[in-house]
Amino acid sequence: KAGVTQTPRYLIKTRGQQVTLSCSPISGHRSVSWYQQTPGQGLQFLFEYFSETQRNKGNFPGRFSGRQFSNSRSEMNVSTLELGDSALYLCASSLMSGRETQYFGPGTRLLVL
Amino acid sequence: AQSVTQLDSQVPVFEEAPVELRCNYSSSVSVYLFWYVQYPNQGLQLLLKYLSGSTLVKGINGFEAEFNKSQTSFHLRKPSVHISDTAEYFCAVKGSQGNLIFGKGTKLSVKP
Repeated sequence: KAGVTQTPRYLIKTRGQQVTLSCSPISGHRSVSWYQQTPGQGLQFLFEYFSETQRNKGNFPGRFSGRQFSNSRSEMNVSTLELGDSALYLCASSLMSGRETQYFGPGTRLLVL
Repeated sequence: AQSVTQLDSQVPVFEEAPVELRCNYSSSVSVYLFWYVQYPNQGLQLLLKYLSGSTLVKGINGFEAEFNKSQTSFHLRKPSVHISDTAEYFCAVKGSQGNLIFGKGTKLSVKP
């Protein structure tokens, strides 16, 4: 079974631009969660989507948003990029929401100049 | 609030030596605990998990961890490490909303 895939793997943007990242979960998995990883703050939870609905949200500004499609694929969008948004963005999928084990993709590395 | 503390940010060890990576958690709800490994420029790979049952959990690549409720710990161990085990290791607890709460990570460096 294929793992979690994320595209693109690397991205360079400038301040003020917006960016969209994509995540395809493991086949059959219906929950997708997004995490941001930075050297300073470590791994932080952004949000979780299940059945096309946002189930849970971390403590990030409204510039960070996401959505999930009927095939469980998810996108995450960051508007008005700031230098501090430079990070590795990781997507994780699980069968259901809640206590299920999460499996991670390779991540998208975003550099904001 | 739930939290995870990884007591060592870096652990250097020689090849074939045993290693223990320490993790303590704080949680007021049922505890689901995980260890993930991250190799350079990669995502997180699940090493092992504790959901319930036996407190000694075996994972991939020869790693194991022991859940200790009284000490609120979930330390990761391997009896003999290899160069290929060099990576960053993250301990995590499931939050009450289902999201993972991670520790700051421990960088394991295995030297020949």
